[in-house]
Amino acid sequence: GAGVSQTPSNKVTEKGKYVELRCDPISGHTALYWYRQSLGQGPEFLIYFQGTGAADDSGLPNDRFFAVRPEGSVSTLKIQRTERGDSAVYLCASSPGLAVTDTQYFGPGTRLTVL
Amino acid sequence: AQKVTQAQTEISVVEKEDVTLDCVYETRDTTYYLFWYKQPPSGELVFLIRRNSFDEQNEISGRYSWNFQKSTSSFNFTITASQVVDSAVYFCALSGPGGGYNKLIFGAGTRLAVHP
Repeated sequence: GAGVSQTPSNKVTEKGKYVELRCDPISGHTALYWYRQSLGQGPEFLIYFQGTGAADDSGLPNDRFFAVRPEGSVSTLKIQRTERGDSAVYLCASSPGLAVTDTQYFGPGTRLTVL
Repeated sequence: AQKVTQAQTEISVVEKEDVTLDCVYETRDTTYYLFWYKQPPSGELVFLIRRNSFDEQNEISGRYSWNFQKSTSSFNFTITASQVVDSAVYFCALSGPGGGYNKLIFGAGTRLAVHP
């Protein structure tokens, strides 16, 4: 079946602009995660959802970052007033549920470049 | 605090060589999980294995094997008879109740290059 998909695959924006990054999880997966991967580093947790609600948003770096999942499927990560330091690959993952044995399946990521 | 250290930034081997990727972790949790993911050039992380802290048995899956040693807080990954298709960045990760089981804490990764 289809895996996790993310759009766009690449996004170039200017400092100060607003961006939205979209994630389509695997069908039927109730849990959805966002991670950020800076160059040469491992992914860092941002937020995860169970259904429509954000279960843990402790990884969001500041209030310029916000994520929603209004219908419990697709999620959008929103970044306001982008800064050059926001440049990274934003990874989305989904899992069947929140059991510890539920594997997180990752998408290909969106590469965000802030000029 | 939870932390994962992958001290090897890059490893280069010739096809058919065996290679071991090191992973050392820190956690105060008594129950935790360890993972390995592979990130090929396409960018998608591919799940390889999950291990819980109570199961110290080594695991073998084809050419892949994992050595979990609680005494040294290590979870090393060995590829036997490496192939060019094994070239990728490999990440070790940890989760536990301290940080939340659903939050994976990743190491910085080891880039493996297998040359023909």
